[in-house]
Amino acid sequence: DQQVKQNSPSLSVQEGRISILNCDYTNSMFDYFLWYKKYPAEGPTFLISISSIKDKNEDGRFTVFLNKSAKHLSLHIVPSQPGDSAVYFCAATYNNDMRFGAGTRLTVKP
Amino acid sequence: EADIYQTPRYLVIGTGKKITLECSQTMGHDKMYWYQQDPGMELHLIHYSYGVNSTEKGDLSSESTVSRIRTEHFPLTLESARPSHTSQYLCASSKGDEQYFGPGTRLTVT
Repeated sequence: DQQVKQNSPSLSVQEGRISILNCDYTNSMFDYFLWYKKYPAEGPTFLISISSIKDKNEDGRFTVFLNKSAKHLSLHIVPSQPGDSAVYFCAATYNNDMRFGAGTRLTVKP
Repeated sequence: EADIYQTPRYLVIGTGKKITLECSQTMGHDKMYWYQQDPGMELHLIHYSYGVNSTEKGDLSSESTVSRIRTEHFPLTLESARPSHTSQYLCASSKGDEQYFGPGTRLTVT
């Protein structure tokens, strides 16, 4: 039972443009959402998060949007840079139970 | 900055061998986790601990065992490795909602 879904396994964008990564979840009890970034042969690193009481959180080039009614969140990266190329995992948590999506591989072309 | 370490980083071992994957963190976090991840798939929780002498199994059935004798140390043991155990094993720790990951151990069982 996959409670967190990232339906796009890959995304390719041009340097300087916006990258939008999407994530859907099914469990309405989730109250905190996170995005992790993973380079090959490394563990995931925390990128940005959002509480369920908010609909937007911004940190530099990264913004996460949460639409609770649609059970959908997205990560916007603008402007995208080649160093952003990695696998991005969406995660959702409730009561110490964290669930991850399968990841989206972002490629930013120079 | 997260300080969580995993050794070995890569391990190739024959079927039937006993192996222990090491995980240590220097942040004093009470909560620690082991995940298993295959390429293109989500992270699956196999074990977690909320403190010393506390260990629980995660969602994904695993033949591995863990121990938590010290706060900073959370080793994972496979008594008899099989090819089906080939995967990446990620250790994480947390204080709040954000989990900090180690670099992972890539295990190959031949």
